[in-house]
Amino acid sequence: LAKTTQPISMDSYEGQEVNITCSHNNIATNDYITWYQQFPSQGPRFIIQGYKTKVTNEVASLFIPADRKSSTLSLPRVSLSDTAVYYCLVGGYAGNNRKLIWGLGTSLAVNP
Amino acid sequence: DAGVIQSPRHEVTEMGQEVTLRCKPISGHDYLFWYRQTMMRGLELLIYFNNNVPIDDSGMPEDRFSAKMPNASFSTLKIQPSEPRDSAVYFCASSLVYRGYGTDTQYFGPGTRLTVL
Repeated sequence: LAKTTQPISMDSYEGQEVNITCSHNNIATNDYITWYQQFPSQGPRFIIQGYKTKVTNEVASLFIPADRKSSTLSLPRVSLSDTAVYYCLVGGYAGNNRKLIWGLGTSLAVNP
Repeated sequence: DAGVIQSPRHEVTEMGQEVTLRCKPISGHDYLFWYRQTMMRGLELLIYFNNNVPIDDSGMPEDRFSAKMPNASFSTLKIQPSEPRDSAVYFCASSLVYRGYGTDTQYFGPGTRLTVL
């Protein structure tokens, strides 16, 4: 099974771009990479998902190199409200079962 | 839609007591997941259902834990007997459509914070 590794914490300032990298060396062919955001006392919330290359939506970009052994979540011009824990999830289907491997999360602190 | 609904939001109980956590998934979603979150172990998938049928319970820590989904709009996670090490936040999540590959967007409830004394 894929194991995900991400930094425990990161600090940034308002207006800066933040890049959080997740390592998943044993990612399987069918696995997708998904990032979630979690605020205190709330459940995780979907941010973005990708399989390879680059994906962009209204809140973030996801960069996945050709070997797919890592991925980078990019948050453009963060604000104080982006202070949260960000989770990398690698998952797919093994036979009829879904295998979902969550990272331990990266606590992002955005300072004024 | 109101989103995934969980109850209770907080539960404090004594060791040995039975605990029942409840979840109402988003209407129309065909997957339901139960997670446990702790500081030490992060987010752990306990069990998931597809169309009310348990598919994979390999994450359930031991026989004290059981989960049911009697219909498409309700699921329970039961711990009997409870132990202090079960203290955690338990999340329920639901998702829609098996796409064959990849992961579907999961919608999480607010969680139940369980404290076992």
